[in-house]
Amino acid sequence: LAKTTQPISMDSYEGQEVNITCSHNNIATNDYITWYQQFPSQGPRFIIQGYKTKVTNEVASLFIPADRKSSTLSLPRVSLSDTAVYYCLVGVISGNTPLVFGKGTRLSVIA
Amino acid sequence: DVKVTQSSRYLVKRTGEKVFLECVQDMDHENMFWYRQDPGLGLRLIYFSYDVKMKEKGDIPEGYSVSREKKERFSLILESASTNQTSMYLCASSETDRGAKNIQYFGAGTRLSVL
Repeated sequence: LAKTTQPISMDSYEGQEVNITCSHNNIATNDYITWYQQFPSQGPRFIIQGYKTKVTNEVASLFIPADRKSSTLSLPRVSLSDTAVYYCLVGVISGNTPLVFGKGTRLSVIA
Repeated sequence: DVKVTQSSRYLVKRTGEKVFLECVQDMDHENMFWYRQDPGLGLRLIYFSYDVKMKEKGDIPEGYSVSREKKERFSLILESASTNQTSMYLCASSETDRGAKNIQYFGAGTRLSVL
């Protein structure tokens, strides 16, 4: 399984755009990149997934360069409620092999 | 919406007790998972199951066992609880279907304290 590396923590002010980068240098051809968000005292929840280029949904955008060795989760205009831990996972998305959660990035949004 | 329900939010047990953590999902998912989460260590996979009566060891299975007698229910068992098993335990489920994108749905967690 591809190993991921992401910053341990980040701080941001409300209203700013936040970009969290994840490195996955040994990503395999069939691997997808998936991000989860975990609020305090809750289980993680899926927010976005992609294979290459750019994916956008109502929560976030995911940017993946051509070599796919890294990816960037972008949160537009964060609010206090975006304070959470964000996990980057890399692996196949078919079948039942579980993806591996790392330690995640703790994002603190400050008023 | 998918619902994964863990039987207790908080649990306090004594060293040596046998502990059962129960998890139920309502979406007919094939796969179910048990993780523990500790400060600074992220989520670590204990066991998972891809079918009834099937189980696979995760990264840290020592000291734990699991049971899956019905598709919707996955139990984590601590045969003889120890203080180093004090942790947050998270259950998750997912579909096997290729279109499901290997997305896991999590319960709210059980915070277990072993005294």
